[in-house]
Amino acid sequence: DAGVTQSPTHLIKTRGQHVTLRCSPISGHKSVSWYQQVLGQGPQFIFQYYEKEERGRGNFPDRFSARQFPNYSSELNVNALLLGDSALYLCASSTRGQGQETQYFGPGTRLLVL
Amino acid sequence: QKEVEQDPGPLSVPEGAIVSLNCTYSNSAFQYFMWYRQYSRKGPELLMYTYSSGNKEDGRFTAQVDKSSKYISLFIRDSQPSDSATYLCAMSANAGGTSYGKLTFGQGTILTVHP
Repeated sequence: DAGVTQSPTHLIKTRGQHVTLRCSPISGHKSVSWYQQVLGQGPQFIFQYYEKEERGRGNFPDRFSARQFPNYSSELNVNALLLGDSALYLCASSTRGQGQETQYFGPGTRLLVL
Repeated sequence: QKEVEQDPGPLSVPEGAIVSLNCTYSNSAFQYFMWYRQYSRKGPELLMYTYSSGNKEDGRFTAQVDKSSKYISLFIRDSQPSDSATYLCAMSANAGGTSYGKLTFGQGTILTVHP
């Protein structure tokens, strides 16, 4: 079975631009979460979606937005990119997004903002 | 103060050594505890998952949880060069109500096992 997939794998943008990252969850999983991992740090929670509804949001500015589609895939959008947005963006999927469930991570999208 | 503090390391050990990795937490709502392994430029991979105080063993790995002290550990026996990676502790709160499966991570410990 395919795991969590993310695209693109790498991305280079300049300050002020917009970026869209994509994630496909494991088949049968209805919840997707997004995390930002800055070099040398643990992942930080950005969003969780379940059944196309936003269920939770971390401490990130409104420049960050996301959505989930009827097939449970998801997009993370970041507007007005800053140098500090350079990071590995991770997508994780689980069955229902509950605390006791295992979350499975994709390989991530590495974003570099110049 | 961060909700989860992880010994930052880095750790460098010889092959065959026993490795101990540790995290402390401050949020009593955390009920589920995980250890993830992350190889360079890869996503985190789940190693161990526990939800009660005590020990859980899986091969060379043992996860230990002490909820009274808010302290979790991961032990690796007979460490191998292939264990060289970043180890992340992660925690989540109970389900129900407005809770959701947000994972809160430690900052990670870089482990190098040299032959």
